[in-house]
Amino acid sequence: EVQLVESGGGLVQPGGSLRLSCAASGFTFSSYWMHWARQAPGKGLVWVSRINGDGSSTSYADPVKGRFTISRDNAKNTLYLQMNSLRAEDTAVYFCARRSGEGPWDYWGQGTLVTVSS
Amino acid sequence: DIVMTQSPDSLAVSLGERATIDCKSSHSVLYSSDNKNYLAWYQQKPGQSPKLLIYWASTRESGVPDRFSGSGSGTDFTLTISSLQAEDAAVYYCQQYYSTPSTFGGGTKVEIK
Repeated sequence: EVQLVESGGGLVQPGGSLRLSCAASGFTFSSYWMHWARQAPGKGLVWVSRINGDGSSTSYADPVKGRFTISRDNAKNTLYLQMNSLRAEDTAVYFCARRSGEGPWDYWGQGTLVTVSS
Repeated sequence: DIVMTQSPDSLAVSLGERATIDCKSSHSVLYSSDNKNYLAWYQQKPGQSPKLLIYWASTRESGVPDRFSGSGSGTDFTLTISSLQAEDAAVYYCQQYYSTPSTFGGGTKVEIK
């Protein structure tokens, strides 16, 4: 059974840092591109970042470029999102998701809440 | 970036009746090399993560009831729930995965009348 379990969310002050993790199981993790998306309270879904299977290629949404870093450890079957210089507008539930080849995001984690506030 | 526009923002439908949600993209998401529309539909219930319902615009994900169907091509797409059940109350999102950044529609909240 495919499972994605996020962790690492919490309350952080503006300007602070946080590292999210997404533990994957039930599939060959290194074979899949992975994504992070976020959802601000009461709002819609927004793509944040993606990484290819071996970690050699990454991409970021403009609002997080230069502040967030996506990475993966295929030996540990874990995806990461390092978030620095956090702002109030980064407050959201963060989801990791698996992309099925060239297709859609077929599995999502349950999400982890990040709150940026003083 | 491709902008995805959903309509309506919300709708209330009686049990057993049809619900229709539209999604329009600012650029065609039909890839000419494989003739596939890179368009998916997701269902999200409160406190849960999105669940994949439809991909390639009209292919139902395994385990999704056949009352859910997707149609359309190019820039105009529709999600139809043929006979609304109580468990279908949720927010529905379209998503294009044709190009980076992948973008989502603003969501349509479906309520039971």
